[in-house]
Amino acid sequence: EAQVTQNPRYLITVTGKKLTVTCSQNMNHEYMSWYRQDPGLGLRQIYYSMNVEVTDKGDVPEGYKVSRKEKRNFPLILESPSPNQTSLYFCASSLSAGPYEQYFGPGTRLTVT
Amino acid sequence: AQSVTQLGSHVSVSEGALVLLRCNYSSSVPPYLFWYVQYPNQGLQLLLKYTTGATLVKGINGFEAEFKKSETSFHLTKPSAHMSDAAEYFCAVSGFSGYQKVTFGIGTKLQVIP
Repeated sequence: EAQVTQNPRYLITVTGKKLTVTCSQNMNHEYMSWYRQDPGLGLRQIYYSMNVEVTDKGDVPEGYKVSRKEKRNFPLILESPSPNQTSLYFCASSLSAGPYEQYFGPGTRLTVT
Repeated sequence: AQSVTQLGSHVSVSEGALVLLRCNYSSSVPPYLFWYVQYPNQGLQLLLKYTTGATLVKGINGFEAEFKKSETSFHLTKPSAHMSDAAEYFCAVSGFSGYQKVTFGIGTKLQVIP
């Protein structure tokens, strides 16, 4: 089954404790992206990746890091989480950038206290 | 920079009534436009998209949208609402910086009243 998986689905952590949210897709997609969803703000793009070892900032990259060492995986790293990073996070992938449908993971709800 | 405006963060319609969700965009290049739907506690899934060609686009579940370049709009419609249409709907655009970036609107929550 074609899918995007994220782990963990729920995470409660404390300020400053490094964490990683994993994302994996099994569709051999080139393009992958991370979004955060906040009430009243919709989805905002954090980082995206056009292919292995090619990543770039989206609209809200501050406080986040990503890497793309393998085509299927695109982890999101919060090196020193803060309460304003409490949010619902989605990973997505598509065949390429532009006119292609994005496939979304189920989301990770992160709470930073 | 590209942007997306969705008018109305909450829309209520009666079952069987017309659904109209508004989306206006700005883009410095010809855009690719998308509508996604999010059911409670789920990720987003594609309803329909406009890339090139026919400006009236049909999607899943009876939804359609029309790309109007002169009005920079891509409104989503469905002739007759069903209870199962209750969800949050997001308009999205890519078309800036070589199409790598994707910009979403704030979303519109659709309530269907029986």
